[in-house]
Amino acid sequence: GESVGLHLPTLSVQEGDNSIINCAYSNSASDYFIWYKQESGKGPQFIIDIRSNMDKRQGQRVTVLLNKTVKHLSLQIAATQPGDSAVYFCAEKNSGAGSYQLTFGKGTKLSVIP
Amino acid sequence: EADIYQTPRYLVIGTGKKITLECSQTMGHDKMYWYQQDPGMELHLIHYSYGVNSTEKGDLSSESTVSRIRTEHFPLTLESARPSHTSQYLCASGYRGLGEKLFFGSGTQLSVL
Repeated sequence: GESVGLHLPTLSVQEGDNSIINCAYSNSASDYFIWYKQESGKGPQFIIDIRSNMDKRQGQRVTVLLNKTVKHLSLQIAATQPGDSAVYFCAEKNSGAGSYQLTFGKGTKLSVIP
Repeated sequence: EADIYQTPRYLVIGTGKKITLECSQTMGHDKMYWYQQDPGMELHLIHYSYGVNSTEKGDLSSESTVSRIRTEHFPLTLESARPSHTSQYLCASGYRGLGEKLFFGSGTQLSVL
């Protein structure tokens, strides 16, 4: 079936280093992708999104890369800070199927070492 | 900071009880959602609404019901709670002009004994 998943369930990064969180998706028809950050005890918070007509999009300290050939999505966080410690979820959507729903992956827990 | 509120924050109840989880947003968003999330796991959509008097079921089979009588309010009701309903329930809202950028509440952690 269709699925959105993450390669690594946990990731530990030294403060100040760059972080890369990966996400694989299996539905080649997906045309929209989004990353959310969920801190302990809170609801998910939007980070950045990208449409399939782009392969890179940058935000403040974050960059999302999309490789449609291998159906891979990554979130890069520059100069990782302790406040970046959270679980990161990618999600996808196939707008062409008339779906209004996001399919979420399992999440990667990022731990920042001071 | 998103203006979306969920109550109660934690709820422990016995099997067979009827419960309603409250969700309200003050942003005037037309879209509202309920997700279920087990610890460390992905979010599963259980209900959504694109406006007043509009509700749909999501991918996850659920024994809950929702209503959308007012734009700002989207309560979720379990007529007879069971231990299998133990989970975290997250409410979210969004606006058509914002695409899939959703604003989430802090969640209700439900434990059914």
